[in-house]
Amino acid sequence: GQSLEQPSEVTAVEGAIVQINCTYQTSGFYGLSWYQQHDGGAPTFLSYNGLDGLEETGRFSSFLSRSDSYGYLLLQELQMKDSASYFCAVRGAQAGTALIFGKGTTLSVSS
Amino acid sequence: GAVVSQHPSRVICKSGTSVKIECRSLDFQATTMFWYRQFPKQSLMLMATSNEGSKATYEQGVEKDKFLINHASLTLSTLTVTSAHPEDSSFYICSAREGGRAYEQYFGPGTRLTVT
Repeated sequence: GQSLEQPSEVTAVEGAIVQINCTYQTSGFYGLSWYQQHDGGAPTFLSYNGLDGLEETGRFSSFLSRSDSYGYLLLQELQMKDSASYFCAVRGAQAGTALIFGKGTTLSVSS
Repeated sequence: GAVVSQHPSRVICKSGTSVKIECRSLDFQATTMFWYRQFPKQSLMLMATSNEGSKATYEQGVEKDKFLINHASLTLSTLTVTSAHPEDSSFYICSAREGGRAYEQYFGPGTRLTVT
């Protein structure tokens, strides 16, 4: 099966940089994805890493090390609106199967 | 971009009744749809995977007779919660994948079900 570990909570102030780590165990690996979810809303896609290295999308970056079964999401220039839950997710054991989500990290950004 | 809709967005039903949730892919053909359930402050838990025209595959611990899934067309999947109980109150989210694009999964806005 699949399991993902990420911190349950992170707090930071506006303008700061935050890194949310994710370690995973899977029987097959087809990339690590990151999603953001605000209270009451649906998850929205942030980033995907299929290969080792850093992917940058504006203020958000994501990193993957397949040899370490580890990735992280980096959020820069934090804003209040970034307060949300962040989930890492991997695909199931076979290509084309459903995303399996970690338990989520609640990020609270204060002024 | 690929859009997935869900209807209704919120529903309140009485215990013992059934409620149907629709999930539609608006601008693409979804060969595979997934249904997730999310309890407050928890993660999204995969309930079942459905492929158009075939029976859904349920995750361990999900009662297939209670959560009926129908994927009758390439743009529509339905989840029916039968004989709902208060413990079924949750946020139900569908997700769809376009045929030939195995690594992209698009999420609907979710349906908040409250069973009284």
